[in-house]
Amino acid sequence: DGGITQSPKYLFRKEGQNVTLSCEQNLNHDAMYWYRQDPGQGLRLIYYSQIVNDFQKGDIAEGYSVSREKKESFPLTVTSAQKNPTAFYLCASSFLAGVWNEQFFGPGTRLTVL
Amino acid sequence: AQSVSQHNHHVILSEAASLELGCNYSYGGTVNLFWYVQYPGQHLQLLLKYFSGDPLVKGIKGFEAEFIKSKFSFNLRKPSVQWSDTAEYFCAIPEPYAGGTSYGKLTFGQGTILTVHP
Repeated sequence: DGGITQSPKYLFRKEGQNVTLSCEQNLNHDAMYWYRQDPGQGLRLIYYSQIVNDFQKGDIAEGYSVSREKKESFPLTVTSAQKNPTAFYLCASSFLAGVWNEQFFGPGTRLTVL
Repeated sequence: AQSVSQHNHHVILSEAASLELGCNYSYGGTVNLFWYVQYPGQHLQLLLKYFSGDPLVKGIKGFEAEFIKSKFSFNLRKPSVQWSDTAEYFCAIPEPYAGGTSYGKLTFGQGTILTVHP
């Protein structure tokens, strides 16, 4: 069954701690994306990657880091430098990054900083 | 850079009412547009998309959208809503290809929450 998995579903973090969110896809997609969803603000792009070992900053990359060592995986680390990390994080993927390619989304991870 | 605006934050309807959700974009070039839907507890999924050709686009579950270039709009419509249409709806526009790293990015509107009462 093809799709995108994100883990964990819920994550709690103490202030000052780094935390890594997992995103895996078995759709053989080339491009992967991380978005942050806040009420009333839609989805905002954090990072994206078109190929393995390459990624670019999105609109709100400060305080986040990513890696793309495998085509299937695109983990996101929320660092202690992120001033307001409590949010819903969505991972997405698509075939070759392009305007005609639909992005498929995972179920999301809800991060709460205590 | 392009932008997307959804003016209605929360729409409340009764079943069988007609629906129209507004989406306006700012970009002067060739436009491609998407509507995504997020049902409670489910993944964000594509509802419909416009790339070229007929400006009236039909999507899943009886939804349609009309691309009006002169008004920079791509409003989502459904003649008769059901309780199961309760969800959050997002309009999105891909960043036009400018070479290199900007290819494939989506800009989303703020989202519209639709609540349908039975």
